[in-house]
Amino acid sequence: DQQVKQNSPSLSVQEGRISILNCDYTNSMFDYFLWYKKYPAEGPTFLISISSIKDKNEDGRFTVFLNKSAKHLSLHIVPSQPGDSAVYFCAASAGNDYKLSFGAGTTVTVRA
Amino acid sequence: DAGITQSPRHKVTETGTPVTLRCHQTENHRYMYWYRQDPGHGLRLIHYSYGVKDTDKGEVSDGYSVSRSKTEDFLLTLESATSSQTSVYFCATQTGGQNTEAFFGQGTRLTVV
Repeated sequence: DQQVKQNSPSLSVQEGRISILNCDYTNSMFDYFLWYKKYPAEGPTFLISISSIKDKNEDGRFTVFLNKSAKHLSLHIVPSQPGDSAVYFCAASAGNDYKLSFGAGTTVTVRA
Repeated sequence: DAGITQSPRHKVTETGTPVTLRCHQTENHRYMYWYRQDPGHGLRLIHYSYGVKDTDKGEVSDGYSVSRSKTEDFLLTLESATSSQTSVYFCATQTGGQNTEAFFGQGTRLTVV
């Protein structure tokens, strides 16, 4: 049973607009959340993370929001650029159990 | 880049044959992981290691075994390959400690015919 869920397999957005990716989790022990980006034929690369003691973390064009009560997080990319076209994975870990549980991924396509 | 090398990068093998995938890291990270990526499933954990000779099962471990005799090397063995094990396999490493990210290798595409 997947504990991290990304219910939107794909997202298409126009260049310059905002991309919003969503992620839900079921394990209340998760306290660290990450987003990874993956290009074809490459391994996933770390993008941004957030601890459960925060509700927002920002890094340049990327912002992650965490709503613990709803067990929901989102990644905002503003503005979207063609190089952002990739698969984005949401991941989570719990306390001293460091291994990451991943969602199924969302494929983002940025249109010119 | 955490200095993770996977070999081979591509492999085609026949059903019923054993296959070993290798992951080599140069960062001295304590934790190492094997994931498989499949459409609709994302990345699923096969096995992981929390130190030399210390390994444990992940969520999809059936048909796989691992070994870690040195800090830098983590081997994944498919004991008798099946078509359902056709996938892209990723190795990852992690320093350990709370709130740490994992670093991934470039993947091995395995096809079982």
